[in-house]
Amino acid sequence: RKEVEQDPGPFNVPEGATVAFNCTYSNSASQSFFWYRQDCRKEPKLLMSVYSSGNEDGRFTAQLNRASQYISLLIRDSKLSDSATYLCVVNKAGNQFYFGTGTSLTVIP
Amino acid sequence: DAGVIQSPRHEVTEMGQEVTLRCKPISGHNSLFWYRQTMMRGLELLIYFNNNVPIDDSGMPEDRFSAKMPNASFSTLKIQPSEPRDSAVYFCASSVAGGGRVFGPGTRLTVL
Repeated sequence: RKEVEQDPGPFNVPEGATVAFNCTYSNSASQSFFWYRQDCRKEPKLLMSVYSSGNEDGRFTAQLNRASQYISLLIRDSKLSDSATYLCVVNKAGNQFYFGTGTSLTVIP
Repeated sequence: DAGVIQSPRHEVTEMGQEVTLRCKPISGHNSLFWYRQTMMRGLELLIYFNNNVPIDDSGMPEDRFSAKMPNASFSTLKIQPSEPRDSAVYFCASSVAGGGRVFGPGTRLTVL
């Protein structure tokens, strides 16, 4: 079983829509969690960390459900510039980071 | 802050040739990672260093791949001999211990 699993999509949504991605992880001892964003032909960039109590950064909300071992990313009021691939990342311990294969989002005018 | 610097940005070579990819991590970051990304397999960790020491190279595909970090500001990933299946984007990333990775722009390698 993979350490991290994501729905690859693609998700195609109209501008202004709300979209949510989920990601499941296999190891209950995982300690920290992140969402990265990767634009086409660019490197992954840290979007936000995911905290146990959930956290928000503008239009983006990240949540963690340890009991069910999943994390989520909610994007409200989608913009064209949100089109990218979103990678879920789970840190088991120390430098053991596991990247999901990414979920592709296209926001349509 | 210049971020993680990688060179070359693009490399096209013929099968059998030696390829050397270079990385300069962010100053003060003590962990350095080499990743490979393909459409089929996503982002794969090849090897990482802590304080210039290789810690985990279990992701290195085979003996044709080798990586070095002679000092805190420089690392190389070498493929010898290269094969078409090595074609991918190779990312270098750095971090402080346990922190989020900061990725370089990547080297797009094509082996003909």
